[in-house]
Amino acid sequence: QQQVKQSPQSLIVQKGGISIINCAYENTAFDYFPWYQQFPGKGPALLIAIRPDVSEKKEGRFTISFNKSAKQFSLHIMDSQPGDSATYFCAASKEGNQFYFGTGTSLTVIP
Amino acid sequence: GAVVSQHPSWVICKSGTSVKIECRSLDFQATTMFWYRQFPKQSLMLMATSNEGSKATYEQGVEKDKFLINHASLTLSTLTVTSAHPEDSSFYICSARLPGAQPQHFGDGTRLSIL
Repeated sequence: QQQVKQSPQSLIVQKGGISIINCAYENTAFDYFPWYQQFPGKGPALLIAIRPDVSEKKEGRFTISFNKSAKQFSLHIMDSQPGDSATYFCAASKEGNQFYFGTGTSLTVIP
Repeated sequence: GAVVSQHPSWVICKSGTSVKIECRSLDFQATTMFWYRQFPKQSLMLMATSNEGSKATYEQGVEKDKFLINHASLTLSTLTVTSAHPEDSSFYICSARLPGAQPQHFGDGTRLSIL
């Protein structure tokens, strides 16, 4: 059973546009929701993370929006750049235990 | 901070060989490390959770005798793929977590190719 569902599977955005990736979860006990960025042949790198006591967190061009009642959270990349082209994974965990990853979104930003 | 180093980054070997992959936390002590497997264009699949000084906890379907995990120190965990076969070819990634902290910090992975 997929604990975290992620969409879309792939996304193409023009340079300067907004990239939006969505995730949904079922387990209300999850208390930590990170987003990871992965380039080909590399391990995932932590991008930004949020806890359920806040509805939004912004770091530079990256924003997480969190909707606790809907059990959904999303990543917004503002002013998308070709260098942002990568695979993005959302995840959820409870009390520092194992991460449940989404299926990933391949983002391509075209110049 | 929170750098995780994985070695080797790429290994090619013959079927039947055993391969050891090292995962080191360079600037912090990690009581817990995780081992993942990732197939092309797919998500990360947790194989096992490794706690320093104790036996690893394996996920359902992962063969303990096939994938030996040792976490002998607070900065080093190893994964040994025993008697590797072509179906074991994959991208193996480790991660480590600071004690009491949530984020997992990942290594750059090991590309394993079994001929």
